[in-house]
Formats: sequence, structure tokens, C-alpha cells
Amino acid sequence: QVQLQESGPGLVKPSETLSLTCAVSGYSISSGYYWGWIRQPPGKGLEWIGYIYHSGSTYYNPSLKSRVTISFDTSKNQFSLKLTSLTAADTAVYYCARRWDLVQFDPWGQGTLVTVSS
Amino acid sequence: QSVLTQPPSVSGAPGQRVTISCTGGSSNIGAGYDVHWYQQLPGTAPKLLIYVNSNRPSGVPDRFSGSKSGTSASLAITGLQAEDEADYYCQSYDSSLSGSRVVFGGGTKLTVL
Repeated sequence: QVQLQESGPGLVKPSETLSLTCAVSGYSISSGYYWGWIRQPPGKGLEWIGYIYHSGSTYYNPSLKSRVTISFDTSKNQFSLKLTSLTAADTAVYYCARRWDLVQFDPWGQGTLVTVSS
Repeated sequence: QSVLTQPPSVSGAPGQRVTISCTGGSSNIGAGYDVHWYQQLPGTAPKLLIYVNSNRPSGVPDRFSGSKSGTSASLAITGLQAEDEADYYCQSYDSSLSGSRVVFGGGTKLTVL
């Protein structure tokens, strides 16, 4: 079955850029679907960040659009998130997930906690 | 402040029925966009529980059901079990003059008494 696994630094300094990777197994990401990122600040709810279609088209949350880039590395069957100009408000568990045609997300990765602190 | 509004908490005794509401507006649920529900057990990633308003993925017990009407949706859980204690989130899509985006409810914590 399809499985997703996030990886990246657990601690990033304010004003720096966060780079996360989501490795996908069990399906070739260039074959179909959207592939997305969602985050959850500690003790809070879920916030959609954006997703990328298998064709390469990207869609971002308007509130984060100026700071977000999502891209593919099809040779490694993974996709990535870059978030610039970090502040403490970006501290969260970051999840990657597959988005289906009717905009539901399934499955999700286990999540990775990113703390923004000096 | 979430675009979709859920009660912060609900509770029920084992065996009882509980419902969780998800209220949106004319730019999301009321515009015809589908509603999906997720269950997040403590310390784990969200898991798809109900998709496209009322459909259960394979493996989800039929104790869980969803419905949608107008600008709102609901998740019902019957025969409550201790293992149902979790956070539940609704999700839809919103399209307005300020842009289009995926939106989530603020989440509802279910406590099994």
C-alpha cells in the first residue's frame, strides 16, 4: 500500500528557510494524484499548506503563498516543501499526504515536528 | 479562527451515540463542496474516517457515519467505545474572492466517559 514518510531538520532558526522531504513508497508520484503538505501547531488544529499535481502544477494556501514552494524529485519518488522567512508561528508538526480528486487526504505520513527557535 | 466551526469538545458514555457538527458557509459547504472527516488518535497522524460527506473507507466501522445538509455537516458515532476517544476534524474546500483553499474545522475532542 502507499506509504509516506517525512524527513527534515527538527530545529530551525528564525528568518531561515525550512526544507522538508516526503518519500513515497508503493506508488509512483509521477503517475497521478496530488501530493500535499498540512501542518499542526502544538495543541492546535490542522492548516493546509499546499499541494502539487503529478503534472507539476502547484496550489498554495493564499495565506502562505509568498513563502511556500512545493516541488517534485521524481527520480527519488519524493516531493519537497520549502518555507522561507520562518518565525515561531511556523513551529508545528508537518504532515505530507496524498490528495484524491475530491480533495480528501489519504494516507498521511507520520509527521515531523519542526521547532523554530534561536 | 477556522473557516469551518466545530464544537471544541463532546463526550458520551460507552454504548451511547454522539454527533459532531461542522458549520461552514456559502463559499465552502454551502457552495456544494464535499466534506471529509478525520480521526486523530493521541500522538498520531490524522486518518481519513469519512470521505465525500458520507462514505467510509475500507476498514472503518459502520458505527461511524456522515451527513451533509445546506451549509453544515455532521459526524455520528454510535455504540461509543473507549478506543473512539480522539480528536475529530472536518475538512472541505473554500473558494471566494480572496482565493481558493482547503479548509479544516478547529477540531473536536471526543471524551468517552
